[in-house]
Amino acid sequence: QKEVEQNSGPLSVPEGAIASLNCTYSDRGSQSFFWYRQYSGKSPELIMSIYSNGDKEDGRFTAQLNKASQYVSLLIRDSQPSDSATYLCAVKNSGTYKYIFGTGTRLKVLA
Amino acid sequence: NAGVTQTPKFQVLKTGQSMTLQCAQDMNHNSMYWYRQDPGMGLRLIYYSASEGTTDKGEVPNGYNVSRLNKREFSLRLESAAPSQTSVYFCASSEKSLASETQYFGPGTRLLVL
Repeated sequence: QKEVEQNSGPLSVPEGAIASLNCTYSDRGSQSFFWYRQYSGKSPELIMSIYSNGDKEDGRFTAQLNKASQYVSLLIRDSQPSDSATYLCAVKNSGTYKYIFGTGTRLKVLA
Repeated sequence: NAGVTQTPKFQVLKTGQSMTLQCAQDMNHNSMYWYRQDPGMGLRLIYYSASEGTTDKGEVPNGYNVSRLNKREFSLRLESAAPSQTSVYFCASSEKSLASETQYFGPGTRLLVL
């Protein structure tokens, strides 16, 4: 079992719809959770971090964390073609400096 | 404020050749990282440096060495390149505050080993 799992996609959604991206992790000691966006040929950039159970909203993005189920998700409201990218989930145990990344989900927003 | 910079952007090597990938950050971060990214594999940690003067192995350290030259610079060396090391290499640095932590990535080095 991979430490951080994501569906590789592609996930296709129409413009204006909600895109839902999911991630599961295996280390119950994970304390910090991150979503990165990576455009083709570019480097990852952080879009959301979440540390506590529940929802965290930032503009059109909402991160959701459920530690009991070892599940973290990212919702993108009013999806735009410019949101088309690969979204990487990463987790970190508070006792280490290491970030563990999933393989990413490719999102395609159709105009 | 350039953030995280990497050199070179592209490199082609022959099997057995050596090279050093350079990384520098100007954000005064303590922690720095080297990752490789291969299709379908996500980002895999090669080495990291929690602070100046310390380095530790990540998930895939074999075939690589690192040097944390000072707080700003963290280099990755391939002593004898192999085709399996063909990849995109990203350097990153991170900061951690009481409320959050953020990892910033460089633009990447695309390496082809023939």
